[in-house]
Amino acid sequence: DTGVSQDPRHKITKRGQNVTFRCDPISEHNRLYWYRQTLGQGPEFLTYFQNEAQLEKSRLLSDRFSAERPKGSFSTLEIQRTEQGDSAMYLCASSSFSGTSGSSYNEQFFGPGTRLTVL
Amino acid sequence: AQTVTQSQPEMSVQEAETVTLSCTYDTSENNYYLFWYKQPPSRQMILVIRQEAYKQQNATENRFSVNFQKAAKSFSLKISDSQLGDTAMYFCALPLGTSYGKLTFGQGTILTVHP
Repeated sequence: DTGVSQDPRHKITKRGQNVTFRCDPISEHNRLYWYRQTLGQGPEFLTYFQNEAQLEKSRLLSDRFSAERPKGSFSTLEIQRTEQGDSAMYLCASSSFSGTSGSSYNEQFFGPGTRLTVL
Repeated sequence: AQTVTQSQPEMSVQEAETVTLSCTYDTSENNYYLFWYKQPPSRQMILVIRQEAYKQQNATENRFSVNFQKAAKSFSLKISDSQLGDTAMYFCALPLGTSYGKLTFGQGTILTVHP
């Protein structure tokens, strides 16, 4: 399977615990995005990387959230001191970007998501 | 700021019939793309169809077509000959710029296809 993979698929944790999610993008893709989706809503952008550089973080990404993509391949999203409001589906997507302004849009391919439940 | 609005939380259709899902958006960009994504129950999101704003011709992909009204900032999805496998949550999405890629999604429409 050469699609985007995420691990774990489900995570149940107690309030105050730390959790870490992993995303493996499609191998040739240089861009990687994290989104959060709450029940019945559309995904909301959290952050994105181009290669190993984190180029933007949403205001939704509080200080308790940190994301890394150390070698420009897989990425991790860590949530410290989880709160019940963090319960959501965390989606990862990847795409290729050539760097040419105005070039054809490169489709984002989504992973299956990690569903986090904070008790 | 970009916004995407889907005003139909739920829709249903009989198998083999046609259904149209609505989407309106707001952007200050002049050249942009618009997308419809499909998220089946417990499965990952996939791109259904895309429209480039500078193209006047509406995009078509097999049974899926769009009605793009740039001046009205409206972007509806028509599904013809609906199939049971079309049952899913559908999202309208707008990327920021033509190369940036960050997507703004609507709230989604749950489509149920009945046999």
